[in-house]
Amino acid sequence: DAKTTQPTSMDCAEGRAANLPCNHSTISGNEYVYWYRQIHSQGPQYIIHGLKNNETNEMASLIITEDRKSSTLILPHATLRDTAVYYCIVRVYSGGYQKVTFGIGTKLQVIP
Amino acid sequence: DAGVTQSPTHLIKTRGQQVTLRCSPKSGHDTVSWYQQALGQGPQFIFQYYEEEERQRGNFPDRFSGHQFPNYSSELNVNALLLGDSALYLCASSPSGTRGVTGNTIYFGEGSWLTVV
Repeated sequence: DAKTTQPTSMDCAEGRAANLPCNHSTISGNEYVYWYRQIHSQGPQYIIHGLKNNETNEMASLIITEDRKSSTLILPHATLRDTAVYYCIVRVYSGGYQKVTFGIGTKLQVIP
Repeated sequence: DAGVTQSPTHLIKTRGQQVTLRCSPKSGHDTVSWYQQALGQGPQFIFQYYEEEERQRGNFPDRFSGHQFPNYSSELNVNALLLGDSALYLCASSPSGTRGVTGNTIYFGEGSWLTVV
């Protein structure tokens, strides 16, 4: 499986942009980068995914470097409700069926 | 459109007992996966079902088994419960789509909290 590396924790001031980095240097050409977040005691929530191009939706933006070896999730105006563990995941095509391998993620603390 | 639903939300079992957890996938999804998440850890893949068969399995003992029904819903069974089985059990669903292209989003349920005492 392609491995991802994320910082263990980050702080962000409320109202500021939160930029969460992720390294995935072994990513293959047809593997997507996915981001999920998990608020305490809840199931992981899908945020965004991308292959090569930058992506934006109502929750966040995803910036993928040209060599695809790293990406950044951007929450443009962080709120207290964005405090969560954020997982960067590379989706692997394994044996005909897809699976997701989670790391420990980045614990984002939004500070008032 | 209901998302992935799981039941029960919380349960307590005694060591040695057996437990069954249930999952209904998101509408239109035919592939169901199960994950175990211990406190402070990321989710760990248990197994995946498609067309009522187990297609992939993570590093979990045979005490963990599952089933998928014709309506795509799924059950996770754990036999001979150990204290270490205490965790949040997550169900995830996705459409099978075009295999080889990992662009089909996986959605998770809220999980079932299992406590073994």
